[in-house]
Amino acid sequence: GQQVMQIPQYQHVQEGEDFTTYCNSSTTLSNIQWYKQRPGGHPVFLIQLVKSGEVKKQKRLTFQFGEAKKNSSLHITATQTTDVGTYFCAGRDNAGKSTFGDGTTLTVKP
Amino acid sequence: NAGVTQTPKFQVLKTGQSMTLQCAQDMNHEYMSWYRQDPGMGLRLIHYSVGAGITDQGEVPNGYNVSRSTTEDFPLRLLSAAPSQTSVYFCASSYSYSTEAFFGQGTRLTVV
Repeated sequence: GQQVMQIPQYQHVQEGEDFTTYCNSSTTLSNIQWYKQRPGGHPVFLIQLVKSGEVKKQKRLTFQFGEAKKNSSLHITATQTTDVGTYFCAGRDNAGKSTFGDGTTLTVKP
Repeated sequence: NAGVTQTPKFQVLKTGQSMTLQCAQDMNHEYMSWYRQDPGMGLRLIHYSVGAGITDQGEVPNGYNVSRSTTEDFPLRLLSAAPSQTSVYFCASSYSYSTEAFFGQGTRLTVV
């Protein structure tokens, strides 16, 4: 079945440093979604990427979808303490089934 | 607008007991799903529904039943609770299977 790997599992940064998490699928995806979960909270939708090579930006967050539609990344520029949480990717295959990665937990030291 | 509402927020069960986790959404979404989240892991799909009267199994369906008699409600039933079912359970809904999912606040379940 479809597997979605996400790395790294944990990332500790100093406030102001950049952060990147990577998502790799074993199969070609029809789309990929990114979610953020604050400690003790529930996942909240950030963005969806559909097109090969797509790049989307939300303020300090940049999302990319690979040319082969098998990988994606989320990059945060100049992290802030409000960025702490776990970032999940969810890849959807052509049959419509969605698989979540295990997430990258970001901690930011002030 | 309440979004996705899950009850209860916390529950402790004894091994062998049964219970139902409730999930309701007021956004008229067709697609609803249940996930479990274990420490350090992502969300694993238990069951999902593409509309009233239609349900299907996800990645980890064993030990759980669902039904979808209305568009709004999607309860998850634990038939005979086991310690391995200790987890945080999230219900989610979306307009369709390919659009953004809205998650409930979660139910933290402990089976002793």
